[in-house]
Amino acid sequence: GESVGLHLPTLSVQEGDNSIINCAYSNSASDYFIWYKQESGKGPQFIIDIRSNMDKRQGQRVTVLLNKTVKHLSLQIAATQPGDSAVYFCALPTPNSGYALNFGKGTSLLVTP
Amino acid sequence: GAGVSQSPRYKVAKRGQDVALRCDPISGHVSLFWYQQALGQGPEFLTYFQNEAQLDKSGLPSDRFFAERPEGSVSTLKIQRTQQEDSAVYLCASSLPAADTQYFGPGTRLTVL
Repeated sequence: GESVGLHLPTLSVQEGDNSIINCAYSNSASDYFIWYKQESGKGPQFIIDIRSNMDKRQGQRVTVLLNKTVKHLSLQIAATQPGDSAVYFCALPTPNSGYALNFGKGTSLLVTP
Repeated sequence: GAGVSQSPRYKVAKRGQDVALRCDPISGHVSLFWYQQALGQGPEFLTYFQNEAQLDKSGLPSDRFFAERPEGSVSTLKIQRTQQEDSAVYLCASSLPAADTQYFGPGTRLTVL
């Protein structure tokens, strides 16, 4: 089956620094990728997505980079703020299951003042 | 507008009891998904509805798990004869069509004693 994994389970950064969260995937046919943020006691919240015909997409303070050659994507958060502290998941929709999302284990981001 | 809501937010059950978890999706959303999230893990797909039709239930861990969406809006996930391994957060998500962005509810935390 599809394997979605993250390189680091935890990441601690200082407020104001940039954060980079990585994700590897195994299915080279995957064509759509999503990043979700999950705060404690809440459901996952959509952050940004990217399709396989792009290698970079920018949002507000966030950038997603996609490297299809090595099957890797990353989420970059600029000027990290305490409110960014959460668990971040990359997720891949599975078309043969109604586009149900296949999540990785997640990276816990802790922003220290 | 209102997001996805779930009730109850917390449920404690004794082993062997039956439980029913409710999901109210965003109005007009055709697709509805249930996920199970164990502590420290990413959400895992359980089942998927398109309107009232349950199109995929491949993720349900056993025949003790049953989901329904009889009128194509509210959905209920029922777990019979609960076991300790059923303890998890149960997340519901909805989307317009299945391939669109999924919006998650806050989840129901089930603890089986």
